[in-house]
Amino acid sequence: GQQVMQIPQYQHVQEGEDFTTYCNSSTTLSNIQWYKQRPGGHPVFLIQLVKSGEVKKQKRLTFQFGEAKKNSSLHITATQTTDVGTYFCAAPSSTGNQFYFGTGTSLTVIP
Amino acid sequence: DGGITQSPKYLFRKEGQNVTLSCEQNLNHDAMYWYRQDPGQGLRLIYYSQIVNDFQKGDIAEGYSVSREKKESFPLTVTSAQKNPTAFYLCASSIDAGRGSYEQYFGPGTRLTVT
Repeated sequence: GQQVMQIPQYQHVQEGEDFTTYCNSSTTLSNIQWYKQRPGGHPVFLIQLVKSGEVKKQKRLTFQFGEAKKNSSLHITATQTTDVGTYFCAAPSSTGNQFYFGTGTSLTVIP
Repeated sequence: DGGITQSPKYLFRKEGQNVTLSCEQNLNHDAMYWYRQDPGQGLRLIYYSQIVNDFQKGDIAEGYSVSREKKESFPLTVTSAQKNPTAFYLCASSIDAGRGSYEQYFGPGTRLTVT
């Protein structure tokens, strides 16, 4: 099936440092979604990007969708311990019936 | 209080036994999904259903079966044919499928251990 590559797999940062995770697809995407999963929890929807070059912000989180709609990034400014968790991107199949999830980036914030 | 419920939270079974995981939603969503999560592998789709009495295989359907007799319910059976069933199983729903434009709401998950 379609693959969405996500890097890095793990990231350890000092509290206050920035963090970025990247998703890449070999095919053009109609949209891309981002989810956060806290340790021991379940994925929770963060945002959906639809337009080429789109940038959306949620407080310290900035989401970008590439101009070619083949890549996306999530950037967190000045990380806090509450940011700990695994961040997943998810892209729909060509039919839109299902989503393919990236492997996730596990973020650890060292206080 | 709307949402998705999965039960039980932890499940232990002996090898060779079939086991059914429950998933119920009261969000009035048409589409429901089952994912399997293993460390370092993200979420992989097992089965999905866009409408009652219809379901489709995902990427890793072998050894699993589902039913969708009611809109609210989408139980997953892990059969003895599944070679490596120990995993974290997540159920999700969305308003609609077919356009990939809707967020998915996830249940709390069931952690299955087979020994």
